[in-house]
Amino acid sequence: AQKITQTQPGMFVQEKEAVTLDCTYDTSDQSYGLFWYKQPSSGEMIFLIYQGSYDEQNATEGRYSLNFQKARKSANLVISASQLGDSAMYFCAMRGFFTSGTYKYIFGTGTRLKVLA
Amino acid sequence: DADVTQTPRNRITKTGKRIMLECSQTKGHDRMYWYRQDPGLGLRLIYYSFDVKDINKGEISDGYSVSRQAQAKFSLSLESAIPNQTALYFCATSDRETAGQETQYFGPGTRLLVL
Repeated sequence: AQKITQTQPGMFVQEKEAVTLDCTYDTSDQSYGLFWYKQPSSGEMIFLIYQGSYDEQNATEGRYSLNFQKARKSANLVISASQLGDSAMYFCAMRGFFTSGTYKYIFGTGTRLKVLA
Repeated sequence: DADVTQTPRNRITKTGKRIMLECSQTKGHDRMYWYRQDPGLGLRLIYYSFDVKDINKGEISDGYSVSRQAQAKFSLSLESAIPNQTALYFCATSDRETAGQETQYFGPGTRLLVL
């Protein structure tokens, strides 16, 4: 069964430092997508970055990069030069392809990041 | 104006009451979704719709129903609310898969408390 695992319930990082949020996934599909979303304390869900299973290069979006290791089934989010505004809950998600005939868009349980001044 | 709006933003209701949560979008997307978020469980898919005539159950559809009134509107109903339906509910939209990427865009959420 498809599953997303985020093993870090909470993390701290010093302002201006880099931080890695872990995400591992489980799927038997050959084609899938991996996403990271940010949820600030205000509650909205904000899309950050996407990685396709066939993409050979790691995705980057500004200060966000996705460290994609397909063989290890991991899709860790790296935030460089952390800012106070990065304090939020971060969710890893996976979209399953339709070969099985079933649509899937599943989320991990999240990691709460606190950036310290 | 927000691309994906949800009404109400907050709602308190009593056990057994029928309640409807509404979602509207101006993004022109075909696909719409309803999720619930519970502490420690992340987001779970309730229902999804790929176009006006397409409705599909998600992971946790029991106790819920939906209506896709138009491309831009997707409503979630709790026919007889129960306390364990207390949660944060999100509506999301996405466009057809483009180059393998189907990003979902979320509304602001509706906080529902069932007493």
